[in-house]
Amino acid sequence: EPEVTQTPSHQVTQMGQEVILRCVPISNHLYFYWYRQILGQKVEFLVSFYNNEISEKSEIFDDQFSVERPDGSNFTLKIRSTKLEDSAMYFCASSEQTDTQYFGPGTRLTVL
Amino acid sequence: AQSVAQPEDQVNVAEGNPLTVKCTYSVSGNPYLFWYVQYPNRGLQFLLKYITGDNLVKGSYGFEAEFNKSQTSFHLKKPSALVSDSALYFCAVSTHASGGSYIPTFGRGTSLIVHP
Repeated sequence: EPEVTQTPSHQVTQMGQEVILRCVPISNHLYFYWYRQILGQKVEFLVSFYNNEISEKSEIFDDQFSVERPDGSNFTLKIRSTKLEDSAMYFCASSEQTDTQYFGPGTRLTVL
Repeated sequence: AQSVAQPEDQVNVAEGNPLTVKCTYSVSGNPYLFWYVQYPNRGLQFLLKYITGDNLVKGSYGFEAEFNKSQTSFHLKKPSALVSDSALYFCAVSTHASGGSYIPTFGRGTSLIVHP
C-alpha cells in the first residue's frame, strides 16, 4: 500500500538556523499538507498546497515558513530561522481528492 | 469556526469488551467527520469518515462510528476490543474551505488502553 514518507525522522538544530523538512507524498495525490503537533497538544494545520501554490494557510504559517514542490515527488517545508517554540512533530499529508488525507510518520524537530 | 471535543483523555477497556471513544463537534454547515489513529512513533492513520449518507460508517480494523446530527456527535465504536487497538485516537471535523481544500480541525486525542 502506498505511503507518505518523511525525512529525517528526527532533526536537531540550533535556534536561528534554517531547516528543511522533506516529504514524499503518495504518487497520484494532488493535494499536499503540513501539520505540526507540539508535544502533548493537538495536531495543528499549517498549510495546504495544490497546483504548485498554497491554497490555505493558518496563522501559524508566518513568513518564517515556506513550502515548495521542487520536483515531481518531493514536498518540502522550510523554516528560515528556527525558534525554540518550533520544536514539534511535523506531519506531511497528501490526498487524491480534497477530503481524506494520508499522513506520513512525521519529523521530530528539536530546536536547542 | 469549527471545533472538536474529545472529552476523555484516556479510555480503558478489557480485551473482548466493546469500546467507545467519544467525539462532539461544532461547525457551520455540513460537517465532514474523520477518525484517525496514531500508534507510537507513527503518523496519523485514517480509520473512517462521514461525508453524507448512512449515519453508521464502517472503517478499518472493525471500527465504526455513528454520526448523530442532533447531538453533534461522532463516537467511535468497536464491538470487541483487541490489545493491539491500544493507541491514540483523533477525531477531526472539516468543511470546504475557500481555497478548495478540506482543512480538518483535530481534537486533543484520546488514549485507548485495552487490557488483556
